[in-house]
Amino acid sequence: DIQMTQSPSSLSASVRDRVTITCQASQDINNFLNWYQQKPGKAPKLLIYDAANLEAGVPSRFSGSGSGTDFTFTISSLQPEDAATYYCQQYDNFPYTFGQGTNLEIK
Amino acid sequence: EVQLLESGGDLVQPGGSLRLSCAASGFTFYDYAMSWVRQAPGKGLEWVSSISGSGGKTYYADSVKGRFTISRDNSKNIVYLQMNSLRAEDTAVYYCTKDRPSSKFYWGQGTLVAVSS
Repeated sequence: DIQMTQSPSSLSASVRDRVTITCQASQDINNFLNWYQQKPGKAPKLLIYDAANLEAGVPSRFSGSGSGTDFTFTISSLQPEDAATYYCQQYDNFPYTFGQGTNLEIK
Repeated sequence: EVQLLESGGDLVQPGGSLRLSCAASGFTFYDYAMSWVRQAPGKGLEWVSSISGSGGKTYYADSVKGRFTISRDNSKNIVYLQMNSLRAEDTAVYYCTKDRPSSKFYWGQGTLVAVSS
């Protein structure tokens, strides 16, 4: 199984800060990586697909990059509504696997 | 617009069975694989099972293999998850997702399964 190591597990940042979350795969996943945002009591929402493509309707302050085994998710200017838990997911091979999640708090 | 509506979640005793359904609309259903992903209370996301567009290929997490069965009815645009021999650790919100060949995985709102005596 492909292990997805996501870090940090939690972070606290201020409005307008730049925030970065990383996800490392245990093997090459051919850029088959998604990033999701999940708010309490809600389903995960797709933000980034194929490692670097912004889903339609998602604000441009969200971005993704990386290749092979190392991936980065960035919020360029944090907004209050970005408080949530963020997950990466690989879909290169079964079983699909997720990172442990990053709980993002706004100071 | 893609819509996925799960149903069938309930409170069930350990050892019991339950069948979840996910009704899909807004896309050509048989063109896409479908999956179930679950989230235990306060925990992260865990992929459970996937089925190909034709229904000919199925995949399962080790934690549910032999107990859960995924299936689909392409005439009704519904994917199912038959869950047998339920355990307390199966307690979770179960989401269905539309997935491959697209990389854009869309999720339903989820249905809660609680396994308890």
